[in-house]
Amino acid sequence: DAMVIQNPRYQVTQFGKPVTLSCSQTLNHNVMYWYQQKSSQAPKLLFHYYDKDFNNEADTPDNFQSRRPNTSFCFLDIRSPGLGDAAMYLCATSRDRRGGTYEQYFGPGTRLTVT
Amino acid sequence: GESVGLHLPTLSVQEGDNSIINCAYSNSASDYFIWYKQESGKGPQFIIDIRSNMDKRQGQRVTVLLNKTVKHLSLQIAATQPGDSAVYFCARGLETSGSRLTFGEGTQLTVNP
Repeated sequence: DAMVIQNPRYQVTQFGKPVTLSCSQTLNHNVMYWYQQKSSQAPKLLFHYYDKDFNNEADTPDNFQSRRPNTSFCFLDIRSPGLGDAAMYLCATSRDRRGGTYEQYFGPGTRLTVT
Repeated sequence: GESVGLHLPTLSVQEGDNSIINCAYSNSASDYFIWYKQESGKGPQFIIDIRSNMDKRQGQRVTVLLNKTVKHLSLQIAATQPGDSAVYFCARGLETSGSRLTFGEGTQLTVNP
């Protein structure tokens, strides 16, 4: 059973045309993350939601926004995609467990192409 | 600043051999480390984790060793199988950072039949 679902799996957008990627989870985890991963590189955290609290990484461009309307869904909005934004976008979730580790469960990713 | 990195970008082994993937980190203020496996076209998959107050942890066919003295982490895979071919990432986390993970660069493991 899919636990972290990302739609679409492949997205093609035009330079400068806003695009939204979606993520949903059936785990009822309170933390959701968005990562950007370029070819052969490590995933780079863009931001995460701790419940409804939004936590932006210092070096995430303003071009990237996120929304979390409820526990299950989280969206990544790219307001004006540039060629450099072509990448795999990974959504992940975790359950906050003090004293434990914070295993993150990843979705399959959305591969974004910018033309 | 914090960073997590791997010693080798690629590792090639014969099927049935043991594999050792290494990771070095610079910031000693870590609460835990996690190894992830990422197959082509898929999201990272959790393999095993270890808290910073431990030296060793074993799973099914995998063992993670943590040497805090030299800030070194390794993942050992016993009897490597073709299905183990993937990119492996180590990641570190701090409880004070909530659930944030910092990923190191990956090692591409190729298992030759």
